[in-house]
Parts: sequence; structure tokens; C-alpha cells
Amino acid sequence: GAVVSQHPSWVICKSGTSVKIECRSLDFQATTMFWYRQFPKQSLMLMATSNEGSKATYEQGVEKDKFLINHASLTLSTLTVTSAHPEDSSFYICSARKADTEAFFGQGTRLTVV
Amino acid sequence: GQNIDQPTEMTATEGAIVQINCTYQTSGFNGLFWYQQHAGEAPTFLSYNVLDGLEEKGRFSSFLSRSKGYSYLLLKELQMKDSASYLCAVMDSNYQLIWGAGTKLIIKP
Repeated sequence: GAVVSQHPSWVICKSGTSVKIECRSLDFQATTMFWYRQFPKQSLMLMATSNEGSKATYEQGVEKDKFLINHASLTLSTLTVTSAHPEDSSFYICSARKADTEAFFGQGTRLTVV
Repeated sequence: GQNIDQPTEMTATEGAIVQINCTYQTSGFNGLFWYQQHAGEAPTFLSYNVLDGLEEKGRFSSFLSRSKGYSYLLLKELQMKDSASYLCAVMDSNYQLIWGAGTKLIIKP
């Protein structure tokens, strides 16, 4: 199967700072990437969908200015959590999809804001 | 290493019952998830098991045996719309999600 690499696996940051999470498709070109958020023992919540070269489509209730998503190339998407606060502490996971096929998931990033 | 195994593809008949198995070997365990994913769409959550036993939700049920490192997803009264990929994922001791490759379920009339 295709490989999606997400980095970092975990990060601790101070309140008020920004954190960038990278999602790379290693052996295929991803036309679409999804970003999810997951609280402990809960399901994945889709945050946004991004298509290469265009603006991301955010789900209702997700702050666009707080969660900046960039999908500048067919192999890389980034999620930047700006001015992070403790309530942003969560597990973030990306998935990448080739055209009209199933999506492949990254390993996830555990963000802790202190 | 960490590993999740599930069959690549299964075929079943509309109205029948199908069981999709998942075995896992992970460093620690903080729950097992099943997701459904239709072609070209984002996955949707189906179930979460953290204790041994059967969890039933309508036509779908999920079973877990932690001692055996085993889970299954049971789908009853299959409908054509159940044709999709079913993903098994385990959260390890570091709260990392370890994903299976998914089982493509084909429903025939």
C-alpha cells in the first residue's frame, strides 16, 4: 500500500506559540489530503479537506485562521496550529488520497499545549 | 514491530452477514477502531472497543479480545450501500494510531 508520513509524531509547545505538522505522501501523488482531529477515545473528526493548489475546505466549526492548511505540492500538506492553547491539545491525523482511490493515513501527531 | 492484519478483499451477497477480522500486534493498547470508507470519500467512524466483548450498533457489531489481539466487525442484513473499505486501527500506548490496510467489501445482488 501507499505510504503517508506525518511529522512530528508528538510535540509539546507553550501556549501562544504556533506548531506546524507535515503530511507527506512518499510514493504517490496525493490530489487530496484530509486533516482530522481526535480526542481520546473518540472518533476522528474531519477538520478540513485540501486539494493541491487550492484553498482548503473547512468543516463547520473549524476556525480557518487558527488551523492553517497549505497543500502546495502533490506530496506535501501542512497544518499549522496558530496561537495554540491547551484546548488545542489533541491527536491530529492526516490522510492522503490518489485520484478516485482510497485514502492512506499518516501515523498521527499528538499535540500537547502547556 | 507493530502490525495490523486484515483481509484485503471480501465478497458477500445482499441480505447476508459478513465478518471482517482484524488481528494486531502493538506496543500497548488504548482501544481499537473500525472505520468505513466509501471510494473517494473520507473515512467515517463505525465503532470503538477498549474492553473485551461485543458492541452492537444496529446492523453493525464489533468484537474485541485483547488477550488474542483480535477483533472483528460483523455486518448484518447487508445492503448494496455497504460496499466500501473497512479500516481497523489500534491506538497504542503512546496514543499513536496504527492502521490496517483496509478490507474492501464487495456486495453482490
